[in-house]
Amino acid sequence: DAGVTQSPTHLIKTRGQHVTLRCSPISGHKSVSWYQQVLGQGPQFIFQYYEKEERGRGNFPDRFSARQFPNYSSELNVNALLLGDSALYLCASSLRTAYTEAFFGQGTRLTVV
Amino acid sequence: GQQVMQIPQYQHVQEGEDFTTYCNSSTTLSNIQWYKQRPGGHPVFLIQLVKSGEVKKQKRLTFQFGEAKKNSSLHITATQTTDVGTYFCAGTAAGNKLTFGGGTRVLVKP
Repeated sequence: DAGVTQSPTHLIKTRGQHVTLRCSPISGHKSVSWYQQVLGQGPQFIFQYYEKEERGRGNFPDRFSARQFPNYSSELNVNALLLGDSALYLCASSLRTAYTEAFFGQGTRLTVV
Repeated sequence: GQQVMQIPQYQHVQEGEDFTTYCNSSTTLSNIQWYKQRPGGHPVFLIQLVKSGEVKKQKRLTFQFGEAKKNSSLHITATQTTDVGTYFCAGTAAGNKLTFGGGTRVLVKP
């Protein structure tokens, strides 16, 4: 079975641009969460979606948004990119919510220049 | 807001020795999870603890959840080079927000 897949793997954007990151969860998993991991730090929670509804939101500005589609895949959108948005963006899928094991994808490395 | 702290930030261990890493939360947790991230990789789930005082073992790894459900520890015996990586604890206090600690980076000296 395929694990969590994220695309693209690497991305370079200019300040002020917007970006869309994509995630396909493990088959049968209905929950997708997004995390931002800055080099040398732990993952920071951005969003969680379960059954296509937002179930949790971290302390990120409104420039960050996400959605989950009927097939449970998900997109993370970031508008008006800042240099500080450069990070590894991780997607994790799980059967249900934060109380179950999370399976992480390989991440998207975003560099803002 | 909820904060999760891990100590030490770095752990240099001689191969064959034991060590312990600690995780402390500012709030009472519903559960605690531990993940391992190899250099250049992504976090991989190790275990989840739910009950107060719970202890679980995985081969050379022993995980413990504190009685007050505000702290946890990971003890590794007879460290091997395959144990290299960063170990994260992550806890849920309320809602569906999984809060990660800053991690303990483990380096093994052969």
